[in-house]
Amino acid sequence: KQEVTQIPAALSVPEGENLVLNCSFTDSAIYNLQWFRQDPGKGLTSLLLIQSSQREQTSGRLNASLDKSSGRSTLYIAASQPGDSATYLCAVGHNAGNMLTFGGGTRLMVKP
Amino acid sequence: NAGVTQTPKFQVLKTGQSMTLQCAQDMNHNSMYWYRQDPGMGLRLIYYSASEGTTDKGEVPNGYNVSRLNKREFSLRLESAAPSQTSVYFCASSEWGLNTEAFFGQGTRLTVV
Repeated sequence: KQEVTQIPAALSVPEGENLVLNCSFTDSAIYNLQWFRQDPGKGLTSLLLIQSSQREQTSGRLNASLDKSSGRSTLYIAASQPGDSATYLCAVGHNAGNMLTFGGGTRLMVKP
Repeated sequence: NAGVTQTPKFQVLKTGQSMTLQCAQDMNHNSMYWYRQDPGMGLRLIYYSASEGTTDKGEVPNGYNVSRLNKREFSLRLESAAPSQTSVYFCASSEWGLNTEAFFGQGTRLTVV
Protein backbone atom coordinates (compact mmCIF):
# COMPACT_ATOMS: atom_id res chain seq x y z
CA LYS A 1 0.00 0.00 0.00
CA GLN A 2 1.34 3.40 -0.96
CA GLU A 3 2.23 5.61 2.00
CA VAL A 4 3.09 9.27 1.72
CA THR A 5 4.92 11.15 4.46
CA GLN A 6 5.58 14.85 4.79
CA ILE A 7 8.26 16.27 7.06
CA PRO A 8 8.19 18.55 8.92
CA ALA A 9 4.58 18.62 10.05
CA ALA A 10 4.89 22.32 10.87
CA LEU A 11 7.38 25.02 9.95
CA SER A 12 7.73 28.67 10.96
CA VAL A 13 10.10 30.97 9.06
CA PRO A 14 10.73 34.71 8.81
CA GLU A 15 9.60 36.52 5.70
CA GLY A 16 12.06 36.45 2.81
CA GLU A 17 13.56 33.08 3.65
CA ASN A 18 13.89 30.35 1.03
CA LEU A 19 12.48 27.05 2.24
CA VAL A 20 12.07 23.41 1.27
CA LEU A 21 9.16 21.13 2.07
CA ASN A 22 9.71 17.40 1.83
CA CYS A 23 7.49 14.56 0.66
CA SER A 24 8.42 10.87 0.57
CA PHE A 25 6.51 7.87 -0.78
CA THR A 26 7.02 4.15 -0.42
CA ASP A 27 6.08 2.81 -3.86
CA SER A 28 7.98 4.31 -6.79
CA ALA A 29 5.45 3.04 -9.37
CA ILE A 30 3.57 6.32 -9.60
CA TYR A 31 1.75 8.17 -12.36
CA ASN A 32 2.54 11.62 -11.06
CA LEU A 33 2.91 13.76 -7.97
CA GLN A 34 0.91 16.85 -7.21
CA TRP A 35 1.48 19.63 -4.68
CA PHE A 36 -1.52 21.44 -3.20
CA ARG A 37 -2.07 24.38 -0.91
CA GLN A 38 -4.89 24.43 1.65
CA ASP A 39 -5.91 27.54 3.56
CA PRO A 40 -7.80 27.10 6.87
CA GLY A 41 -11.41 26.11 6.29
CA LYS A 42 -10.92 26.05 2.54
CA GLY A 43 -10.51 23.53 -0.24
CA LEU A 44 -7.27 22.49 -1.93
CA THR A 45 -5.61 24.57 -4.62
CA SER A 46 -3.35 22.78 -7.06
CA LEU A 47 0.15 24.28 -7.23
CA LEU A 48 2.22 21.95 -9.39
CA LEU A 49 1.78 18.62 -11.13
CA ILE A 50 4.86 16.55 -12.00
CA GLN A 51 4.40 13.59 -14.33
CA SER A 52 6.40 10.46 -13.55
CA SER A 53 8.66 11.10 -16.56
CA GLN A 54 9.55 14.61 -15.38
CA ARG A 55 12.17 15.72 -12.88
CA GLU A 56 10.79 19.11 -11.92
CA GLN A 57 8.15 21.77 -12.49
CA THR A 58 8.27 25.50 -11.82
CA SER A 59 5.59 28.10 -11.28
CA GLY A 60 6.65 31.56 -10.18
CA ARG A 61 8.46 31.29 -6.85
CA LEU A 62 7.65 27.59 -6.56
CA ASN A 63 9.78 24.72 -7.81
CA ALA A 64 8.92 21.08 -7.27
CA SER A 65 11.30 18.22 -7.95
CA LEU A 66 10.68 14.51 -8.23
CA ASP A 67 13.10 11.62 -7.69
CA LYS A 68 11.11 8.45 -8.28
CA SER A 69 13.96 6.07 -7.57
CA SER A 70 14.44 7.41 -4.06
CA GLY A 71 10.71 8.02 -3.50
CA ARG A 72 11.08 11.72 -2.78
CA SER A 73 9.79 15.09 -3.87
CA THR A 74 10.61 18.56 -2.64
CA LEU A 75 8.73 21.83 -2.93
CA TYR A 76 11.04 24.83 -2.92
CA ILE A 77 9.52 28.21 -2.08
CA ALA A 78 11.73 31.20 -2.85
CA ALA A 79 11.57 34.50 -0.98
CA SER A 80 8.70 33.44 1.26
CA GLN A 81 5.89 35.90 2.05
CA PRO A 82 3.24 35.99 4.80
CA GLY A 83 0.67 35.17 2.13
CA ASP A 84 2.40 31.81 1.66
CA SER A 85 1.18 30.75 5.11
CA ALA A 86 -0.99 27.66 4.61
CA THR A 87 -0.86 23.88 4.76
CA TYR A 88 0.98 22.26 1.86
CA LEU A 89 -0.02 18.78 0.80
CA CYS A 90 1.64 16.41 -1.60
CA ALA A 91 -0.32 13.65 -3.29
CA VAL A 92 0.88 10.71 -5.31
CA GLY A 93 -1.18 9.44 -8.22
CA HIS A 94 -1.09 5.71 -8.85
CA ASN A 95 -3.10 3.35 -10.98
CA ALA A 96 -4.36 1.15 -8.16
CA GLY A 97 -7.87 2.49 -7.59
CA ASN A 98 -7.25 5.47 -9.85
CA MET A 99 -6.66 7.62 -6.81
CA LEU A 100 -4.38 10.14 -5.19
CA THR A 101 -2.74 9.19 -1.90
CA PHE A 102 -2.12 12.23 0.24
CA GLY A 103 0.54 13.02 2.79
CA GLY A 104 -0.39 14.54 6.11
CA GLY A 105 0.72 18.01 5.09
CA THR A 106 3.19 20.63 6.30
CA ARG A 107 1.67 23.61 8.06
CA LEU A 108 3.74 26.65 7.08
CA MET A 109 3.74 30.00 8.84
CA VAL A 110 5.71 32.89 7.38
CA LYS A 111 6.19 35.68 9.90
CA PRO A 112 6.38 39.31 8.76
CA ASN B 1 -15.36 30.69 -13.27
CA ALA B 2 -17.00 28.62 -10.49
CA GLY B 3 -14.84 25.48 -10.89
CA VAL B 4 -16.08 22.81 -8.47
CA THR B 5 -19.11 23.76 -6.38
CA GLN B 6 -20.28 21.79 -3.36
CA THR B 7 -23.50 22.13 -1.41
CA PRO B 8 -24.18 22.44 1.46
CA LYS B 9 -21.12 24.01 3.13
CA PHE B 10 -22.17 22.91 6.61
CA GLN B 11 -24.58 20.25 7.88
CA VAL B 12 -25.50 18.70 11.20
CA LEU B 13 -27.25 15.33 11.16
CA LYS B 14 -28.61 13.05 13.82
CA THR B 15 -27.44 9.45 13.85
CA GLY B 16 -29.50 7.43 11.40
CA GLN B 17 -30.57 10.35 9.22
CA SER B 18 -29.78 10.39 5.53
CA MET B 19 -28.52 13.14 3.29
CA THR B 20 -26.99 13.80 -0.11
CA LEU B 21 -23.96 15.98 -0.73
CA GLN B 22 -24.07 17.67 -4.10
CA CYS B 23 -21.13 18.46 -6.36
CA ALA B 24 -21.03 20.13 -9.76
CA GLN B 25 -18.14 21.18 -11.99
CA ASP B 26 -18.24 23.53 -14.96
CA MET B 27 -14.84 22.65 -16.50
CA ASN B 28 -16.14 19.85 -18.76
CA HIS B 29 -14.05 17.35 -16.79
CA ASN B 30 -14.54 13.64 -17.29
CA SER B 31 -13.40 12.39 -13.88
CA MET B 32 -14.84 13.25 -10.49
CA TYR B 33 -13.97 12.19 -6.94
CA TRP B 34 -15.21 12.30 -3.37
CA TYR B 35 -12.68 12.53 -0.50
CA ARG B 36 -13.01 12.90 3.23
CA GLN B 37 -10.49 14.73 5.40
CA ASP B 38 -10.01 13.82 9.04
CA PRO B 39 -7.43 15.05 11.56
CA GLY B 40 -4.48 12.68 11.67
CA MET B 41 -5.81 10.63 8.73
CA GLY B 42 -5.34 13.07 5.86
CA LEU B 43 -7.50 12.93 2.76
CA ARG B 44 -8.89 9.56 1.78
CA LEU B 45 -10.78 8.62 -1.38
CA ILE B 46 -14.37 7.45 -0.86
CA TYR B 47 -15.60 6.94 -4.44
CA TYR B 48 -14.63 8.12 -7.87
CA SER B 49 -16.12 8.30 -11.34
CA ALA B 50 -13.52 7.98 -14.08
CA SER B 51 -16.05 9.06 -16.70
CA GLU B 52 -19.77 9.67 -17.07
CA GLY B 53 -21.67 6.46 -16.44
CA THR B 54 -19.01 4.76 -14.29
CA THR B 55 -18.36 4.75 -10.56
CA ASP B 56 -15.86 2.82 -8.46
CA LYS B 57 -15.00 2.38 -4.80
CA GLY B 58 -12.04 4.11 -3.28
CA GLU B 59 -10.25 3.48 -0.02
CA VAL B 60 -13.15 4.06 2.41
CA PRO B 61 -16.50 3.42 0.63
CA ASN B 62 -18.46 1.75 3.43
CA GLY B 63 -21.58 3.68 4.45
CA TYR B 64 -21.68 5.76 1.26
CA ASN B 65 -23.24 5.62 -2.18
CA VAL B 66 -22.64 7.81 -5.20
CA SER B 67 -24.41 8.82 -8.38
CA ARG B 68 -22.84 10.33 -11.47
CA LEU B 69 -25.96 12.12 -12.58
CA ASN B 70 -24.40 13.54 -15.75
CA LYS B 71 -21.00 14.79 -16.80
CA ARG B 72 -21.25 17.83 -14.52
CA GLU B 73 -22.68 16.36 -11.33
CA PHE B 74 -21.50 13.73 -8.87
CA SER B 75 -23.43 13.25 -5.63
CA LEU B 76 -22.52 11.43 -2.42
CA ARG B 77 -25.25 9.90 -0.28
CA LEU B 78 -25.16 8.83 3.35
CA GLU B 79 -28.08 6.45 3.85
CA SER B 80 -27.86 6.16 7.64
CA ALA B 81 -25.39 8.62 9.11
CA ALA B 82 -23.06 7.53 11.92
CA PRO B 83 -20.84 9.65 14.21
CA SER B 84 -17.79 8.09 12.47
CA GLN B 85 -18.87 9.93 9.32
CA THR B 86 -18.27 13.30 10.96
CA SER B 87 -15.69 14.81 8.64
CA VAL B 88 -14.98 17.39 5.98
CA TYR B 89 -15.97 16.12 2.55
CA PHE B 90 -14.31 17.32 -0.62
CA CYS B 91 -15.38 16.83 -4.19
CA ALA B 92 -12.75 17.04 -6.91
CA SER B 93 -12.57 16.76 -10.67
CA SER B 94 -9.92 16.30 -13.32
CA GLU B 95 -9.98 16.46 -17.07
CA TRP B 96 -9.15 12.78 -17.51
CA GLY B 97 -8.13 10.62 -14.58
CA LEU B 98 -4.82 10.83 -12.81
CA ASN B 99 -2.75 12.17 -15.69
CA THR B 100 -4.32 15.57 -15.30
CA GLU B 101 -4.51 18.17 -12.57
CA ALA B 102 -7.16 17.76 -9.87
CA PHE B 103 -9.37 20.67 -8.82
CA PHE B 104 -11.15 20.67 -5.48
CA GLY B 105 -14.33 22.20 -4.15
CA GLN B 106 -14.49 24.22 -0.93
CA GLY B 107 -15.69 21.31 1.17
CA THR B 108 -18.72 20.31 3.23
CA ARG B 109 -18.27 20.17 6.99
CA LEU B 110 -20.55 17.41 8.27
CA THR B 111 -21.23 16.69 11.92
CA VAL B 112 -23.21 13.61 12.97
CA VAL B 113 -24.49 13.70 16.54
